[in-house]
Amino acid sequence: ETGVTQTPRHLVMGMTNKKSLKCEQHLGHNAMYWYKQSAKKPLELMFVYNFKEQTENNSVPSRFSPECPNSSHLFLHLHTLQPEDSALYLCASSQDIRGSHTGELFFGEGSRLTVL
Amino acid sequence: GENVEQHPSTLSVQEGDSAVIKCTYSDSASNYFPWYKQELGKRPQLIIDIRSNVGEKKDQRIAVTLNKTAKHFSLHITETQPEDSAVYFCAAAGSFGAGTRLTVKP
Repeated sequence: ETGVTQTPRHLVMGMTNKKSLKCEQHLGHNAMYWYKQSAKKPLELMFVYNFKEQTENNSVPSRFSPECPNSSHLFLHLHTLQPEDSALYLCASSQDIRGSHTGELFFGEGSRLTVL
Repeated sequence: GENVEQHPSTLSVQEGDSAVIKCTYSDSASNYFPWYKQELGKRPQLIIDIRSNVGEKKDQRIAVTLNKTAKHFSLHITETQPEDSAVYFCAAAGSFGAGTRLTVKP
């Protein structure tokens, strides 16, 4: 148990649906991340939050909408997705006391998303 | 942003042999270089990391070397075992390499 939990573990949705992915960390970390993992691409950084403020958005389409109500919770709201958005979405947290991307990432198990 | 390249994409070794995976990065300001191991169907987990103020770090059979001038760092696994079989990722400034699928044959 790494202390980062994601729900749901699996999600199937149509292109017109609206759904949300949830991530919760119990490690007291200050930073939280969303990564996308596709079969033939590197882990892609999507969003970074530090003390619930968004610090990075790597040109992610607006059909992905993150929300970070506090340092322990992170959401990814999904709407009007495309089939190519099907992937494993990994949440992670870290204690970045020396600046961005300077601490070990603790990943959740991921949410496997299939867009039909 | 940071651009991380990782080689090779696949690596097959005999049990007991050594394995080396190399990564290059583009941003000279990067100062933290972790390596993650991802077993099939599981989450990535840190196995070793190095910061820019040192050139080498070892943890039992695993070592990482860093050349800041050349902007590359490498993972070395000695005395490989079948349980080392997994995908290994390097990272710098939040960007990940494409991964190396290591297979250790018994």
